[in-house]
Amino acid sequence: LAKTTQPISMDSYEGQEVNITCSHNNIATNDYITWYQQFPSQGPRFIIQGYKTKVTNEVASLFIPADRKSSTLSLPRVSLSDTAVYYCLVGDIYAGNNRKLIWGLGTSLAVNP
Amino acid sequence: DTGVSQDPRHKITKRGQNVTFRCDPISEHNRLYWYRQTLGQGPEFLTYFQNEAQLEKSRLLSDRFSAERPKGSFSTLEIQRTEQGDSAMYLCASSLEGGTNYGYTFGSGTRLTVV
Repeated sequence: LAKTTQPISMDSYEGQEVNITCSHNNIATNDYITWYQQFPSQGPRFIIQGYKTKVTNEVASLFIPADRKSSTLSLPRVSLSDTAVYYCLVGDIYAGNNRKLIWGLGTSLAVNP
Repeated sequence: DTGVSQDPRHKITKRGQNVTFRCDPISEHNRLYWYRQTLGQGPEFLTYFQNEAQLEKSRLLSDRFSAERPKGSFSTLEIQRTEQGDSAMYLCASSLEGGTNYGYTFGSGTRLTVV
């Protein structure tokens, strides 16, 4: 099971772009990379998922280099409401082993006015 | 469909009492998961259902914990003889079989406080 390493915390200001990098040196061939966002007293919420290169949706972009040993979640022009914990997870989503995904401590992002 | 619903949102109980939580997943999702999350930590897997079958239980799930999913719809998680160490957020999530491009959908959780 691939484990991930993320910074424990990050600070930013409104309007800035925030990049959170996750290391996953032992990622397997069939593993996908998924990012979740969690606000206090709420369940995690899916943000974005990718396998390689770049994925973009209305919320964020995910950059994955060719060796796939790391990934970067990019949040454009953050606002105060983006203050949350962000989790990076790695696993084979098609093997039905989602339950075995290991959740780390995540990255606590604080957006300041 | 309003997503994954969990009830109650908060529960305060005295040590030694039994508690039961309910989860209503997204109707077309046949997989259902229970997680536990303590303050400052990521969610920890407890158990997993595919339809009505409980296919895996974590070692975290002691014999005081039991989960059911009758008819493959809603699920309940019961904790018997609660202990202070059981205080946590209990999260339910659901997903589609065969993987999904959208990950789990989580409920808002039930926060349990054992006093």
